[in-house]
Amino acid sequence: RKEVEQDPGPFNVPEGATVAFNCTYSNSASQSFFWYRQDCRKEPKLLMSVYSSGNEDGRFTAQLNRASQYISLLIRDSKLSDSATYLCVVNFLVDNNNDMRFGAGTRLTVKP
Amino acid sequence: GAVVSQHPSWVICKSGTSVKIECRSLDFQATTMFWYRQFPKQSLMLMATSNEGSKATYEQGVEKDKFLINHASLTLSTLTVTSAHPEDSSFYICSASLLGTKGQYFGPGTRLTVL
Repeated sequence: RKEVEQDPGPFNVPEGATVAFNCTYSNSASQSFFWYRQDCRKEPKLLMSVYSSGNEDGRFTAQLNRASQYISLLIRDSKLSDSATYLCVVNFLVDNNNDMRFGAGTRLTVKP
Repeated sequence: GAVVSQHPSWVICKSGTSVKIECRSLDFQATTMFWYRQFPKQSLMLMATSNEGSKATYEQGVEKDKFLINHASLTLSTLTVTSAHPEDSSFYICSASLLGTKGQYFGPGTRLTVL
């Protein structure tokens, strides 16, 4: 079983749509969680951290369910510029060093 | 935010040659640097974790004698792909983190093509 699993998509949605991505992780010792965005042929960039209480940043809402080992990302009012691959990342500290594991990513295409 | 640079951004080489990729943290001291590889349409795969002044820790299946990592200072780590072959063609990305902090800062990546 993969450590971090995501639906690879692709998700093709019209502008203005709401789209949700899910991610599950296998290591219950995982301590912190992130969503990264990766554009084609570019490096990943941090989109947002994910907290147990849920957090929102503009059109983006992230949720974490530790009991189910499940993370989600909701994008409202999709823009063309949201087209990218979204990577779910879980992190745990080993000897005070970060050990981050990436999902394979979910590809989103927002169409006019 | 923190900035990580990589050099070169792309390289084309002949099979059998060695290629060195540099990763620098420009405005912070990185206690730990990570090297990833990403094949087309696939996830980032961690290759190795390097701490300044000590030997790198390689992931299972990654040949340490083929992928030489040197983390000589708190701002520089290098990855050398020795005797590169076409199957080593990939997108190599480094990242850096501060001790005890969450998240990593990624470099822009190096696209390696081995002919």
